[in-house]
Amino acid sequence: QLQLQESGPGLVKPSETLSLTCTVSSGSISTTSYYWGWIRQPPGKGLEWIGNVYYIGRTFHNPSLKSRVTMSVDTSKNQFSLRVSSVTAADTAVYYCARVVRAGIIDYFDHWGQGVLVTVSS
Amino acid sequence: QLVLTQSPSASASLGASVKLTCTLSSGHSTYTIAWHQQRPQKGPRYLMSISSDGSHLKGDVVPDRFSGSSSGAERYLTISNLQSEDEADYYCQTWGADIWVFGGGTKLTVL
Repeated sequence: QLQLQESGPGLVKPSETLSLTCTVSSGSISTTSYYWGWIRQPPGKGLEWIGNVYYIGRTFHNPSLKSRVTMSVDTSKNQFSLRVSSVTAADTAVYYCARVVRAGIIDYFDHWGQGVLVTVSS
Repeated sequence: QLVLTQSPSASASLGASVKLTCTLSSGHSTYTIAWHQQRPQKGPRYLMSISSDGSHLKGDVVPDRFSGSSSGAERYLTISNLQSEDEADYYCQTWGADIWVFGGGTKLTVL
């Protein structure tokens, strides 16, 4: 059964860079059938798509976050990563990684990590 | 602009049925959507995808009580024989022009 696990600091200071890694197990990240995505959820609010990355490094971004977001893939470690620069309190959220099925008529998230809470505070 | 609209809340009694709605924005009525369930304090879980003709593809270990349908720009998730564990937030999601979009979510209360 595919598993995704987020890891990274739970506390980041304002104006600094948030960095998270998602480790994929029981499945290869190097496949043409999937993208690998990041989604966040501020406390008490809904889901917000951040962006997706393909195993060859191609990225897709939420336009509202694009200027601050960097995503990458490390196929040797079966991991992909997220960096969000110049964070503010508005970036406080549970961050999820997920697998994105490339199904043609819809690309959808079919496996999710358990999420990690990142708080932006001094 | 691709937007998904959901009612903020819904409720139904234990053992009853409930139909949740996700509405696609104008010009996007043929899009396929996916439904995700998020139980309290848990990560989301993929339930199924639903196309404009009502055909759907369920995720792993999704009970038969969950079904999907479609009419025009609306996509539905019907849950029959409601159980207490169905109390959760339900999000619809779609994709277009390399942008992934979530609806605002519906909080389902089982009475």
